[in-house]
Amino acid sequence: DTGVSQDPRHKITKRGQNVTFRCDPISEHNRLYWYRQTLGQGPEFLTYFQNEAQLEKSRLLSDRFSAERPKGSFSTLEIQRTEQGDSAMYLCASSLKRRSSGNTIYFGEGSWLTVV
Amino acid sequence: QQPVQSPQAVILREGEDAVINCSSSKALYSVHWYRQKHGEAPVFLMILLKGGEQKGHDKISASFNEKKQQSSLYLTASQLSYSGTYFCGTERAESSGDKLTFGTGTRLAVRP
Repeated sequence: DTGVSQDPRHKITKRGQNVTFRCDPISEHNRLYWYRQTLGQGPEFLTYFQNEAQLEKSRLLSDRFSAERPKGSFSTLEIQRTEQGDSAMYLCASSLKRRSSGNTIYFGEGSWLTVV
Repeated sequence: QQPVQSPQAVILREGEDAVINCSSSKALYSVHWYRQKHGEAPVFLMILLKGGEQKGHDKISASFNEKKQQSSLYLTASQLSYSGTYFCGTERAESSGDKLTFGTGTRLAVRP
């Protein structure tokens, strides 16, 4: 059983550069989420997809952030013109909601971004 | 909107018990509990769906009081492997919108 996988696991970039993260969810899961986590804080919701439709975006998600899930399978999160405040762990998660058992969300290992 | 967790940190000796609380100011549809070790992703522990529901997983169990919008995680006979940060994630009732809002976490350290 393959879990949620994310790539790259670590990225160091210079301020102003663009970065892109990829997420491959658990294969039968139709929901895919992006969260951001900084040290000492809980994961913070960014956006989520049901299949290929982006259903909700956090107000925290500035115009520099864009996420896609073109065929309802893998997803990408791009950050343009990175700033030092973007340094964080970017977590992808997926789920398959069932009426009987709820919406259990499984996280990937995360992609660490350091902006220097 | 962020759920409030208490305590912020706990130090236990192996074999001792602990309770971690999570409360919300909004009506909840479900509460999810995760454990995260340093530098790793959160790992799912359990989901509670109904008011008054209780669940158990090995020596870790949880309750969900829908009326009070509170959940508690019970760790009994703690083991060294229980160390980490515990997060509750809440799903609000009015949207059942599927996203989770996480608390700030409770750091648990279990010492030999």
